[in-house]
Amino acid sequence: DVKVTQSSRYLVKRTGEKVFLECVQDMDHENMFWYRQDPGLGLRLIYFSYDVKMKEKGDIPEGYSVSREKKERFSLILESASTNQTSMYLCASLTGPMDYTFGSGTRLTVV
Amino acid sequence: GESVGLHLPTLSVQEGDNSIINCAYSNSASDYFIWYKQESGKGPQFIIDIRSNMDKRQGQRVTVLLNKTVKHLSLQIAATQPGDSAVYFCAERPGGGADGLTFGKGTHLIIQP
Repeated sequence: DVKVTQSSRYLVKRTGEKVFLECVQDMDHENMFWYRQDPGLGLRLIYFSYDVKMKEKGDIPEGYSVSREKKERFSLILESASTNQTSMYLCASLTGPMDYTFGSGTRLTVV
Repeated sequence: GESVGLHLPTLSVQEGDNSIINCAYSNSASDYFIWYKQESGKGPQFIIDIRSNMDKRQGQRVTVLLNKTVKHLSLQIAATQPGDSAVYFCAERPGGGADGLTFGKGTHLIIQP
């Protein structure tokens, strides 16, 4: 089975901190995605990447950036964390033509 | 704006009954639809998918129906069990490559004994 691993389940950060959320997949997949999940809003796409060093903005990229230095790792960066970025963050990898596998999520709280 | 939505945020059913979860979408160019199940503390897990050139697809205890005329998608779960308790999301892929999915807001399915 494909595994998508998010390094932290829970994080608490202070406003203004730079925050790194890490995601690793173990199947050499090219396409990876970052979503945030909020009550009543569902999952919204932040950024995605087709390949190493490639990135594309999703629906809500403001306040975020990403890094894809290696194919297996896709990092989401909050340059200066704010309280409205408190959310559940989900990473996904495209495992087939149309098959997305999600990680377990990182619940980030910004105080 | 939101192009995929669900009619009910919460659905409560008796154990053993059939469950029907509905979803409306607005992007007629979407070529692929997926239902996900998300249990507490976990990421979404794939349940079943359907391409836009189909109107019905069956899995184990689950059936997805697609009505392109009214842009409506539904998930039917037969003989609902306690383990079916979760939040269910529909998702659509706008026509084209792997640019990510658009998700509905989710329906929380509650199983009553």
